[in-house]
Amino acid sequence: AQSVTQLDSQVPVFEEAPVELRCNYSSSVSVYLFWYVQYPNQGLQLLLKYLSGSTLVKGINGFEAEFNKSQTSFHLRKPSVHISDTAEYFCAVRRVTGFQKLVFGTGTRLLVSP
Amino acid sequence: DVKVTQSSRYLVKRTGEKVFLECVQDMDHENMFWYRQDPGLGLRLIYFSYDVKMKEKGDIPEGYSVSREKKERFSLILESASTNQTSMYLCASSPQEGTEAFFGQGTRLTVV
Repeated sequence: AQSVTQLDSQVPVFEEAPVELRCNYSSSVSVYLFWYVQYPNQGLQLLLKYLSGSTLVKGINGFEAEFNKSQTSFHLRKPSVHISDTAEYFCAVRRVTGFQKLVFGTGTRLLVSP
Repeated sequence: DVKVTQSSRYLVKRTGEKVFLECVQDMDHENMFWYRQDPGLGLRLIYFSYDVKMKEKGDIPEGYSVSREKKERFSLILESASTNQTSMYLCASSPQEGTEAFFGQGTRLTVV
């Protein structure tokens, strides 16, 4: 079975500051990794995904994430946040083969203030 | 653009009512999913379908059933709604050979 841990339930940050949202996962088989964003009262939108190859993945809205296999981590970063980045961010994993179920973390609420 | 459409954004139902949540996707995806989202718990899979009339239980299927009579439509049914089913429900779809799941806007269900 797979599991995802997002230790920070909420991350407050000032506008234009850098931010890192942490994600650690556990799996006995190879997985794909994803970050989704959810703006208030909306569904989930894919920010970025790691399938294979380069461990640094760039996504939309200036976000990037680094896959670290030895630490089983997939942390999300942005060098300079905007007020509009205020949202909930979910890390998820999915088995490479077999059942296509996405397993989600509990989410991290990013609060950007002026 | 892939579009996953959930029939209602907000729904209020009474305890004991039978509730239908509808989801339609327009990209001919084989896989469809129903998730439930609760604060502090993230998203949990209720049911999954990989083909018409095929379904698999997810992590929390109790109190729910599903129907997939056509490829584009996946319905979640609450046979007898209870207050502990008050939640945000999210539908998603993905292609059989793809990697990404696409989500609908969600239905916020309140059971009173």
